[in-house]
Amino acid sequence: DIQMTQSPSSLSASVGDRVTITCQASQDISKYLNWYQQKPGKAPKLLIYDASNLETGVPSRFSGGGSGTDFTFTISSLQPEDIATYYCQHYDGFPITFGRGTRLEIK
Amino acid sequence: QVQLVESGGSVVQPGRSLRLSCAASGFIFSSYGMHWVRQAPGKGLEWVAVIWYDGSDQDYGDSVKGRFTISRDNSKNTVYLEMNSLRVEDTAVYYCAKDRGTHIFDYWGQGTLVTVSS
Repeated sequence: DIQMTQSPSSLSASVGDRVTITCQASQDISKYLNWYQQKPGKAPKLLIYDASNLETGVPSRFSGGGSGTDFTFTISSLQPEDIATYYCQHYDGFPITFGRGTRLEIK
Repeated sequence: QVQLVESGGSVVQPGRSLRLSCAASGFIFSSYGMHWVRQAPGKGLEWVAVIWYDGSDQDYGDSVKGRFTISRDNSKNTVYLEMNSLRVEDTAVYYCAKDRGTHIFDYWGQGTLVTVSS
């Protein structure tokens, strides 16, 4: 099984800060990596697909990059409504696995 | 607009069975694969199962293989998760999710809570 190592597990930042989360796959997964946002008590929401493509309707301050085994997710200017937990997810074969999540808080 | 509505969650004793349903609307259900993903209380997301758009194939996470069965009825726009031999560690919110076509989960339901407890 492909393991996804996501870091950090939690992050505290100020409004306006640039925030970066990383996800490392245990083997080459090409571009097959998605990022989701989950707010408390809500279902996850797709933000980025195929490593770097912004889902329709998602603000442009969110971006993703990387390929192979190393991926990044960036919020260019943190907003109060971005408080959530973020997950990476690979889809290069089954079983599909998620990273353990990054809990983002406002400082 | 796309809607996914899960139902069937409840409190059940270990070893018992339960069937979850997910009713879909707002898209051509028979054209898309569907998944179940679960989240234990305070924990992260765990992929559970997938079924192909036409029901021709399925796959499962290691922790549920042999105990859970995913199925679908395209005439009713509904996907199911039959859960047998339930364990305490199956306690979670279960989400159904629509597959865009390459195992990207583009729409999610609101979830249904399954509690396995004696």
